[in-house]
Amino acid sequence: GQNIDQPTEMTATEGAIVQINCTYQTSGFNGLFWYQQHAGEAPTFLSYNVLDGLEEKGRFSSFLSRSKGYSYLLLKELQMKDSASYLCAVRDSNYQLIWGAGTKLIIKP
Amino acid sequence: ETGVTQTPRHLVMGMTNKKSLKCEQHLGHNAMYWYKQSAKKPLELMFVYSLEERVENNSVPSRFSPECPNSSHLFLHLHTLQPEDSALYLCASSQEGPAGGAETQYFGPGTRLLVL
Repeated sequence: GQNIDQPTEMTATEGAIVQINCTYQTSGFNGLFWYQQHAGEAPTFLSYNVLDGLEEKGRFSSFLSRSKGYSYLLLKELQMKDSASYLCAVRDSNYQLIWGAGTKLIIKP
Repeated sequence: ETGVTQTPRHLVMGMTNKKSLKCEQHLGHNAMYWYKQSAKKPLELMFVYSLEERVENNSVPSRFSPECPNSSHLFLHLHTLQPEDSALYLCASSQEGPAGGAETQYFGPGTRLLVL
């Protein structure tokens, strides 16, 4: 079966750095997405990786290793507004999105 | 209005009621989706309308019935729901690529549904 694993919950301190990991086992691979979802709001697109390596976008970076079935989302200079759930999703060989259950990130002052 | 909108934002219904959820996208996309989001579970894809064809998830109960009158509007008709259907229902849209692969999905704010 197809599976996406990510930690259920993480806690970090304002101003610090946090890395949210995502491992996947899917039938084929056509890209990996990270979304941010604040409580009671829509998931919003953060990043897309299809080739190995690091994609940097401001305070957020996303890394992909296709050979290891692994990605991480790196958040720097954490702010209180970064408290949210972070969803990892992989597009399989049929171009269907397979979703992880999300990681709830709690930022403490 | 911009992006993807959904109404109502909150809905409480009894098991014998009939109600409909509405989604509208203002992005010019050609694919629309219904997802169910339950606490601590992955998003569950319910239905996809892509290039005016409906792709159905066979595990969705018949008490959920989608309707897509055009590329901008999507409905989810609900009838005789069960308490376990209580969840956040999200609509999304995307642009189908030339090879058939959908691009990034953009989500609406969701309808929080409670079935009593």
